Amino acid sequence: ETGVTQTPRHLVMGMTNKKSLKCEQHLGHNAMYWYKQSAKKPLELMFVYSLEERVENNSVPSRFSPECPNSSHLFLHLHTLQPEDSALYLCASSPKPGQSNTGELFFGEGSRLTVL
Amino acid sequence: DAKTTQPTSMDCAEGRAANLPCNHSTISGNEYVYWYRQIHSQGPQYIIHGLKNNETNEMASLIITEDRKSSTLILPHATLRDTAVYYCIVRGGFSSGSARQLTFGSGTQLTVLP
Repeated sequence: ETGVTQTPRHLVMGMTNKKSLKCEQHLGHNAMYWYKQSAKKPLELMFVYSLEERVENNSVPSRFSPECPNSSHLFLHLHTLQPEDSALYLCASSPKPGQSNTGELFFGEGSRLTVL
Repeated sequence: DAKTTQPTSMDCAEGRAANLPCNHSTISGNEYVYWYRQIHSQGPQYIIHGLKNNETNEMASLIITEDRKSSTLILPHATLRDTAVYYCIVRGGFSSGSARQLTFGSGTQLTVLP
C-alpha cells in the first residue's frame, strides 16, 4: 500500500463513452501526476498538478481532461477516446518540499483502460 | 535532465546479489541518481537515490562511481519477488515549491530465477 488509491482498476469503454478515472492520496502531499503507460513503452508524463494548479501538460490530446479539486484528489476525464488510448494510467503524488526533498514519487496501482 | 543507459534485460539466481548497472555520462553536478522498480502491471516503486556517496537502505545499495558517470544498484539477496523492470533516472534537485517530474526510460527487466 503506497497511500495512493486509483479507481477503477479496470475500465472498458467504447469510443463514444464518457468516463472518469479517480485518484486519491492520504499522504498529505501537495503535487499529483498522471502518467500513461502503453504496452512495451516507457511511462509518459501527461499532467502535473502542484498545489492544485496545473503546472505541466505534455501535449496531451483534449479528449483527456484532468481535474484537481483539492490536494488529495485527482481525476482524469475521458471522452471520445481512440483504441490507441488503451493503456495503464498511473497516478502519483509527491511530498511538500518541507517534508521531503528526496524526489520520491508515490504511485498508485494504476487503472487499466481498454477502448473498444 | 541527463540521459541514462541501462541493459535491456538481466537474469539473476535466487539468493545471489543482483547488480544492475546504469550509465549517465552527461550527469551534471546537481543531479541525483534515482532508482525505481515496476513489478508487472503495478505502479513503480521508489527504491533509493543518491548524489555522490554510496547509499544503502533496507531494499538495496547504490554505488556511484567517483566521476559520477555510472552507478550500480545492488539487491544483496535477490528473491523471486524482485523480478521487475528497474529504472535508473537522473534528475536535478528540487527547489522549494516545484513538482517532482521524473522521466522514465525503458529500464532493465530483471528476472530472478529459482
